[in-house]
Amino acid sequence: LAKTTQPISMDSYEGQEVNITCSHNNIATNDYITWYQQFPSQGPRFIIQGYKTKVTNEVASLFIPADRKSSTLSLPRVSLSDTAVYYCLVGESGGGADGLTFGKGTHLIIQP
Amino acid sequence: DSGVTQTPKHLITATGQRVTLRCSPRSGDLSVYWYQQSLDQGLQFLIQYYNGEERAKGNILERFSAQQFPDLHSELNLSSLELGDSALYFCASSRYSGGAPNEQFFGPGTRLTVL
Repeated sequence: LAKTTQPISMDSYEGQEVNITCSHNNIATNDYITWYQQFPSQGPRFIIQGYKTKVTNEVASLFIPADRKSSTLSLPRVSLSDTAVYYCLVGESGGGADGLTFGKGTHLIIQP
Repeated sequence: DSGVTQTPKHLITATGQRVTLRCSPRSGDLSVYWYQQSLDQGLQFLIQYYNGEERAKGNILERFSAQQFPDLHSELNLSSLELGDSALYFCASSRYSGGAPNEQFFGPGTRLTVL
């Protein structure tokens, strides 16, 4: 089971770039890395997914070093509405429960 | 709106009772996932179905069961309810059979309160 470790909480200010790092030391060859965002009393929402190097979409970037033992979610110029819990998941494409373990996530608080 | 619907939105019942939660996936999605979220346990994966077949199993209690019907909607049955079963229950759907890579779309959840 590819266990992940994230900071319990982080805080930042509007307009700043926020980087949340996830450790997954025993990631397997077939494992992908996926990040979700969750607001209170709502279901999680997919942010980004990657396998190696860097992935970027309209809301975030995901940096994955060559050894893939960690990954960093980067949120550019955050706003108050980015206050949420962010989950890092690691799991393989072949199925199984590993890629569906959300853990406790990182509670990001953005201040004005 | 994710396209995933869940009913009911709220459910209040007593200990020892049985309830059924319903989920309709997004159009075209074959996989359905069930999750339980309580304050102290975070978001726990319960079970996944793909096109009617059980695909993956997480921390689902024996008192809980689920199924996916031919029209792809799914039901989660919770029996002999205990106070500790009070939680938000989320359903998610996706197009793929694997755990990853694929994007799960979550419904609004059913808030279960056991008194």
